[in-house]
Amino acid sequence: DGGITQSPKYLFRKEGQNVTLSCEQNLNHDAMYWYRQDPGQGLRLIYYSQIVNDFQKGDIAEGYSVSREKKESFPLTVTSAQKNPTAFYLCASSLSAGGKEDYTFGSGTRLTVV
Amino acid sequence: KNQVEQSPQSLIILEGKNCTLQCNYTVSPFSNLRWYKQDTGRGPVSLTIMTFSENTKSNGRYTATLDADTKQSSLHITASQLSDSASYICVVRGGGYNKLIFGAGTRLAVHP
Repeated sequence: DGGITQSPKYLFRKEGQNVTLSCEQNLNHDAMYWYRQDPGQGLRLIYYSQIVNDFQKGDIAEGYSVSREKKESFPLTVTSAQKNPTAFYLCASSLSAGGKEDYTFGSGTRLTVV
Repeated sequence: KNQVEQSPQSLIILEGKNCTLQCNYTVSPFSNLRWYKQDTGRGPVSLTIMTFSENTKSNGRYTATLDADTKQSSLHITASQLSDSASYICVVRGGGYNKLIFGAGTRLAVHP
């Protein structure tokens, strides 16, 4: 079955620690995205990548970093510079970055600062 | 400012009843409007995508409408089932960077 796999489902981070969230897709999609979801708010874009070896900052990129070395993979690192990282993180992909392309979302990673 | 507002924030209905969720947007220029269903602790799943020229689109018991003149959309759920309990998110693609702009969602609870 084609889809997006996010891991882990739950992640706990200590103060000052960097953590990396995994996102893998086997849909042969060119574009991939990372969103953050907080209670009572709409999803906010952190980073996106339209093609391998290229990525762009979204609306709330500060304190986060990404890489896109393979088409299938788009890991997100939450650095110690992100002061309020507790949230639900969603990875998505689409065939291309424009127009009417549908997005496929992963099941999410819930990150909690302890 | 490009915004998507949804109402109500939450809704409780009895199984078998119909309901309608509302979405108003101020996004310009407009590219398309999407409705997603998100189960608790899961990622959103696409229900419909509508462009400027499409007034109505159905997906099983879900029917979305779009009025591009008044910048309003609605999602009508017919004969609700317990499995319809979820958040429903309205998303508009547009604005200067043609990106997805998400509403905060309507949380629907269907009770037996």
